[in-house]
Amino acid sequence: SQQGEEDPQALSIQEGENATMNCSYKTSINNLQWYRQNSGRGLVHLILIRSNEREKHSGRLRVTLDTSKKSSSLLITASRAADTASYFCATDGGSSNTGKLIFGQGTTLQVKP
Amino acid sequence: KAGVTQTPRYLIKTRGQQVTLSCSPISGHRSVSWYQQTPGQGLQFLFEYFSETQRNKGNFPGRFSGRQFSNSRSEMNVSTLELGDSALYLCASGEDNQETQYFGPGTRLLVL
Repeated sequence: SQQGEEDPQALSIQEGENATMNCSYKTSINNLQWYRQNSGRGLVHLILIRSNEREKHSGRLRVTLDTSKKSSSLLITASRAADTASYFCATDGGSSNTGKLIFGQGTTLQVKP
Repeated sequence: KAGVTQTPRYLIKTRGQQVTLSCSPISGHRSVSWYQQTPGQGLQFLFEYFSETQRNKGNFPGRFSGRQFSNSRSEMNVSTLELGDSALYLCASGEDNQETQYFGPGTRLLVL
C-alpha cells in the first residue's frame, strides 16, 4: 500500500489492560494522525503529532513518532469496552494543505469486558 | 457546530447506473475531501475540493467526479457503476491550513 503497514491487524485484550498498535509509513511527513472507526461508521480524530515531535499525550492516549524509522505507535491505557473499534494512522505524505490523507490498513481492537 | 453530514446513508444501485452522493461540511470549513473504503483496498483518497476548486485528486478512473458549491457543500458522482464500486464513501471537511479532517458517517453504496 502507499502507506505501509499497521500491526497487529487485530488485537484482543481484557478491559483494564493497555493496547499498543504500530504504524509504519513510506514517505516523508509533516504530521501523522490517528483516527478511530466504530463498526463501519465515520472516522473520529484522536490525535495529531507533528514530524518534529517525538511523543504526545491526550487523556488515555499516548502517541510516539520515530521519523528515522518511519514509524509511530498508539498506546491506549486502561482500556474500556467502549474502546473496541478499528484504529488507523494517517499521514499527509509530506505535502501540506492538500486535503489528502494516506491511511494505513488499520488495527482492529477488541476489548472484552 | 453541527458535524459533517452525508446523504443518503445507504444506497443500492445496479451495474451501469450512476449515483450522486452529497456532503455538507462543518460550518466554516472550506475543504472537503472524499474517500472510498473497501475491505480489500482500505481507505483511499478520491479527491479534495477547496473553495469550489479541485485541489487534489487520487488514482481513480474518470467515472469518479465531484464538485463543490459556493456554500462548501460537495457532491461526488460515480457513473457507469461497477460491482467493485460497492464501498463506504466517506466525506471529510477541514479548516483552512489545518491538517485535521472531520469525517461524516459515510454513505454505504451497494452495486448489484
